[in-house]
Amino acid sequence: KAGVTQTPRYLIKTRGQQVTLSCSPISGHRSVSWYQQTPGQGLQFLFEYFSETQRNKGNFPGRFSGRQFSNSRSEMNVSTLELGDSALYLCASSLNVDLPRTQYFGPGTRLLVL
Amino acid sequence: GENVEQHPSTLSVQEGDSAVIKCTYSDSASNYFPWYKQELGKGPQLIIDIRSNVGEKKDQRIAVTLNKTAKHFSLHITETQPEDSAVYFCAAFKGGGNEKLTFGTGTRLTIIP
Repeated sequence: KAGVTQTPRYLIKTRGQQVTLSCSPISGHRSVSWYQQTPGQGLQFLFEYFSETQRNKGNFPGRFSGRQFSNSRSEMNVSTLELGDSALYLCASSLNVDLPRTQYFGPGTRLLVL
Repeated sequence: GENVEQHPSTLSVQEGDSAVIKCTYSDSASNYFPWYKQELGKGPQLIIDIRSNVGEKKDQRIAVTLNKTAKHFSLHITETQPEDSAVYFCAAFKGGGNEKLTFGTGTRLTIIP
């Protein structure tokens, strides 16, 4: 069974631009979560989608948004990029929202904001 | 909210020796504790997990112990091998509204041949 895939793998943007990242979960998985990983802040939860609905949200500004499609694929969008948004963005999928909440991560999209 | 502390931040052990990484969590309502291994250029990979109704779980050379009273859980790797070198993250999951995984800050494990 194929794992979680994320596209693109690398991205360079300039301040003020916006970016859209894509995540395809493991086949059959309905929950998709997004995380930001930086050397300073570590792994931080952005939001989770299940059945096309946002279930939970972390402490990030409204510039960070996401959505999930009927096939469980998810996208996250960051508008008005700032230098501090440079990070590895990770997507994780899980089968459902019952325990155990085993999450499987993709390889990430590395975003560099200049 | 939940806070997860992880120690040590770096750990070097001789090949064949054991490695132990420790985490503490703050919210007693957390009920699921996974451990992830992250190699350079890759996403975190789940290596073992434990639920709050279990005190210990083992999978070949890897084991996790959980002390709910102390809010403390640990990863034990025995007979370490060079391919065990990576960054390891512990995490705690709290359900019941605003569910999320809270990660520790990571331990860079280096196995010395």
